Amino acid sequence: GAVVSQHPSRVICKSGTSVKIECRSLDFQATTMFWYRQFPKQSLMLMATSNEGSKATYEQGVEKDKFLINHASLTLSTLTVTSAHPEDSSFYICSAPTSGSPSSYNEQFFGPGTRLTVL
Amino acid sequence: AQSVAQPEDQVNVAEGNPLTVKCTYSVSGNPYLFWYVQYPNRGLQFLLKYITGDNLVKGSYGFEAEFNKSQTSFHLKKPSALVSDSALYFCAVRDIEGTYKYIFGTGTRLKVLA
Repeated sequence: GAVVSQHPSRVICKSGTSVKIECRSLDFQATTMFWYRQFPKQSLMLMATSNEGSKATYEQGVEKDKFLINHASLTLSTLTVTSAHPEDSSFYICSAPTSGSPSSYNEQFFGPGTRLTVL
Repeated sequence: AQSVAQPEDQVNVAEGNPLTVKCTYSVSGNPYLFWYVQYPNRGLQFLLKYITGDNLVKGSYGFEAEFNKSQTSFHLKKPSALVSDSALYFCAVRDIEGTYKYIFGTGTRLKVLA
């Protein structure tokens, strides 16, 4: 199947700093990528839809100035957590469908996740 | 609004016994349903999907799921559980509004006992 990578896999930072997480589609192009947040023992919460060459679409309640998303190429989307605080500590996961067609019913492929710990 | 429900937080089953992880859905129109598995500190892995066709869908690692329109269910099944099947399982429905957005259930932790 298609491969999605994330970097870094784990990051620890001080409160007030910014952290960038990369999501790459390794063997396919992704015009759309998704960013999720997962709390311990809980389901995935969709944060935003990342669109190549245009602005991301954020879900209700997600601060767009806090979680900056850039989808500059067909294989890379980045999520930057700005001025991170301990409550931002979480597991962040990205995903991408393999087809560029909105009508495709292909499954999504998920990255391995990034565990962010803010001290 | 579309939604999926996984009524069980945890399912315990003995190794070698059949397992079922339940999922029910609520959608307007035709449902596009998926099952994913997550191992600790890992991303999600695709198991299987139902788009159309046969109600019994076969997927990875010996798993299968049965689509039941009258009961609006899409339960995940395996005839003989392995200890290595122990993981977190998510049911999801795809948003029909022209995007790839998934709506996930709350997840069910499967524990297979040796």
